[in-house]
Amino acid sequence: AQTVTQSQPEMSVQEAETVTLSCTYDTSESDYYLFWYKQPPSRQMILVIRQEAYKQQNATENRFSVNFQKAAKSFSLKISDSQLGDAAMYFCAYSWTGTASKLTFGTGTRLQVTL
Amino acid sequence: DAGVIQSPRHEVTEMGQEVTLRCKPISGHNSLFWYRQTMMRGLELLIYFNNNVPIDDSGMPEDRFSAKMPNASFSTLKIQPSEPRDSAVYFCASSLGNRGYNSPLHFGNGTRLTVT
Repeated sequence: AQTVTQSQPEMSVQEAETVTLSCTYDTSESDYYLFWYKQPPSRQMILVIRQEAYKQQNATENRFSVNFQKAAKSFSLKISDSQLGDAAMYFCAYSWTGTASKLTFGTGTRLQVTL
Repeated sequence: DAGVIQSPRHEVTEMGQEVTLRCKPISGHNSLFWYRQTMMRGLELLIYFNNNVPIDDSGMPEDRFSAKMPNASFSTLKIQPSEPRDSAVYFCASSLGNRGYNSPLHFGNGTRLTVT
């Protein structure tokens, strides 16, 4: 069974600074997807970024980028120029390509952004 | 597109009552998922459908839970009878999913269920 581990229950960053959230996963599959979702206090789940395992290039979306290390099964999220609106729970998630978007989530990291 | 629409947004009910949660997926999406979120267990997949057919219901806690998808634009999750331990946020999500290709999951705003 696939598992996703987020070892940082809480993180804090100052506005305009950079923060990295960690995620590791375990799978025996070679073809899969990895995701970061953001859940603000409104509780909506918002897709932040997605990475295909067959791509060596790390995904980026504006201020958000990932460091994907397939051999180490590591998938960290870097948020640059942090903004107050980035404060939220962040969930790392895994999906095997054979199961049509079925996601396994980590336990989440709560990110605080301070002035 | 309006996104995934869930109703109600909040539901408070007494133990033993029947609860029905509703979901309208994004038009054109063929996969639909029901997740439950609690502090203790995080986000758990309850069941998912592909082309209206239940594919994996191994996450459904017990027989008190049932889910249906009568057509491509509507799904329900029913709990009968409800218990206090069912209190959670229930999310519906949809995607365009086929083997070998995964579009991202789009989530609804969730239903917060409180069973007293």
